[in-house]
Amino acid sequence: LAKTTQPISMDSYEGQEVNITCSHNNIATNDYITWYQQFPSQGPRFIIQGYKTKVTNEVASLFIPADRKSSTLSLPRVSLSDTAVYYCLVGERNYGQNFVFGPGTRLSVLP
Amino acid sequence: DVKVTQSSRYLVKRTGEKVFLECVQDMDHENMFWYRQDPGLGLRLIYFSYDVKMKEKGDIPEGYSVSREKKERFSLILESASTNQTSMYLCASSPPGRGGNTIYFGEGSWLTVV
Repeated sequence: LAKTTQPISMDSYEGQEVNITCSHNNIATNDYITWYQQFPSQGPRFIIQGYKTKVTNEVASLFIPADRKSSTLSLPRVSLSDTAVYYCLVGERNYGQNFVFGPGTRLSVLP
Repeated sequence: DVKVTQSSRYLVKRTGEKVFLECVQDMDHENMFWYRQDPGLGLRLIYFSYDVKMKEKGDIPEGYSVSREKKERFSLILESASTNQTSMYLCASSPPGRGGNTIYFGEGSWLTVV
């Protein structure tokens, strides 16, 4: 599995756009990039997934450059309820695949 | 909607007790996982299973065992609970095949061993 590196923590204010970047220099050809969100005392929740270029859904956008060695999760106009830990996961899903979560990025949204 | 259900949300057990944590998924997924999560350590994989009666050790299997008798159910067993197994335990499942690594998690089980 590709190793990922994310900032440990970030602060933002309500209404701002937040960009969290994940580095994955040894990403493999068949690897996808997936982001999860975790609130305290809950399991992680899928946010968005992509392979290349840009993906957008109702929650976030994911930007992936051509070399795919990094990706950026973009949260538009964050609110207090976006305070959570965000995990970047890179890998290919196969039988018995071992998914490894890094420490994630703790986002704190301030009023 | 996808659902992974963990049988107990909060448990308190005594040292030396045998503890069963049950997990059921309703998505017909082949892969199932057990993680534990501790402050500052992130999610650590204990065991995973890619088919009925199949299991593989994760990063921290010591002190744990698992059982997968049916596709939808994956149980984590603490043979003799110890205080250092106090943690939040997360069950997850994912479908097989290529095309991304979408994992679906349960709500977690908080285990306190006293």
